[in-house]
Amino acid sequence: NAGVTQTPKFQVLKTGQSMTLQCAQDMNHNSMYWYRQDPGMGLRLIYYSASEGTTDKGEVPNGYNVSRLNKREFSLRLESAAPSQTSVYFCAILQGLGRPRGETQYFGPGTRLLVL
Amino acid sequence: AQSVTQLGSHVSVSEGALVLLRCNYSSSVPPYLFWYVQYPNQGLQLLLKYTSAATLVKGINGFEAEFKKSETSFHLTKPSAHMSDAAEYFCAVSSMEVVTGGGNKLTFGTGTQLKVEL
Repeated sequence: NAGVTQTPKFQVLKTGQSMTLQCAQDMNHNSMYWYRQDPGMGLRLIYYSASEGTTDKGEVPNGYNVSRLNKREFSLRLESAAPSQTSVYFCAILQGLGRPRGETQYFGPGTRLLVL
Repeated sequence: AQSVTQLGSHVSVSEGALVLLRCNYSSSVPPYLFWYVQYPNQGLQLLLKYTSAATLVKGINGFEAEFKKSETSFHLTKPSAHMSDAAEYFCAVSSMEVVTGGGNKLTFGTGTQLKVEL
C-alpha cells in the first residue's frame, strides 16, 4: 500500500447523509481509480481519472461523484448515501509509463463504509 | 468485453500441500493478466502478472502462474502451502479499451478464499 493513503479508514453513515472519501498518492502517477469491493463480487470500478482534471465513469458510477483537482488527490463523494453503498472502497494508482495495458495498479488500504 | 472466472470461491488445503487456484479469462485480444492477494483488512497486493513475455510467470512468496492460450487459463500455483498464505486471491484481466494516459482498466474475478489447515 506504500504511496497510496485513504481517509477515513472506517465510517458509519445514516441513509441520506453525504460524505467524501479521500485518496492521496505521493508517487506522481497520472492515473487513479476508485473501486468498491462487495462479498462474492470482486472489485468493481466506480470511476477513474487519467490525469489531473479528467474523470470517467467505470462499471458502477451511479450514486457517486468524483473530483481530481490536482495530480496527487482523487476524491469520491456520496451525495445521499444508501444502504446499497455499504462496501469497502479502494483507491488505486497506475504505476509506470509506456504500454498501459501491462502496467500495474497499486491499491490503498481501503475505507470501510456502513450505511444504516 | 473482458471477463474473468475464478472457479471455487473457497479452497482449503493442508499445510505443505499444493495450492491450485483457477482462473479462466475471456478476451478478444491478447490479454494482460494479474493475480492479486488480499490479506484480512488490507488492500490488494500484486502477486504476479503476465504481459506477453514468458508464459510461466513467477511471483512473490513462491507463487507462479502459467498462461495457456489454448485453454484461456491463468491458474495460480504454489508447490507447498504455508499458513501465511491464507488470504483471498483475485485474478484480473486488463481492459482492451486503452484510454489515453489512463490505460489498464482492470476487470476482476470474484475471488477465491484460500484456507490453509494444519
